Amino acid sequence: GESVGLHLPTLSVQEGDNSIINCAYSNSASDYFIWYKQESGKGPQFIIDIRSNMDKRQGQRVTVLLNKTVKHLSLQIAATQPGDSAVYFCAENIYDMRFGAGTRLTVKP
Amino acid sequence: NAGVTQTPKFQVLKTGQSMTLQCAQDMNHEYMSWYRQDPGMGLRLIHYSVGAGITDQGEVPNGYNVSRSTTEDFPLRLLSAAPSQTSVYFCASSYSTLHGYTFGSGTRLTVV
Repeated sequence: GESVGLHLPTLSVQEGDNSIINCAYSNSASDYFIWYKQESGKGPQFIIDIRSNMDKRQGQRVTVLLNKTVKHLSLQIAATQPGDSAVYFCAENIYDMRFGAGTRLTVKP
Repeated sequence: NAGVTQTPKFQVLKTGQSMTLQCAQDMNHEYMSWYRQDPGMGLRLIHYSVGAGITDQGEVPNGYNVSRSTTEDFPLRLLSAAPSQTSVYFCASSYSTLHGYTFGSGTRLTVV
């Protein structure tokens, strides 16, 4: 079946550097994508979303890029901070929301 | 505005016991879902609801029942608990399929 997946399970970056987390999706009918952040012991927290009629969307220190040609989604975090350490999930939404396996981001001081 | 409230936060069950995980939201969201999260894994959809009186199965519905009698509440019932149901359960709600979900803080369930 079709699924949402991630290229890398872990990512370690230096404080102040930019982070890029990638996600591949295979369902061409998906029209809405979301990135979530999950800190240890907590529920996922909405970061940013993008609809299929857009290629890029920016928030505060975060940017989501959508490449529909290769079915790829990425989350860019600028000037990564220790508080950004968490697991990041991409999710695609059609009639319900399906999550990828997640990428653990570790920020080194 | 409490958001999504899940109870209990922790629960230990014996194999074969039944229980209900409670979920309530006060944001007047139509969409509600239940997910389970196993260690080191993503969230898997158990059941979801697009409005009061309407529910549907997700990826892993076996062993679970749901109902949606009101917009606010979406309880998850474990019919006969099994060790394979040991997991963290999250409830989430949203205005629609084109809005991000708000998650509860989770229920950590252990079946022995």
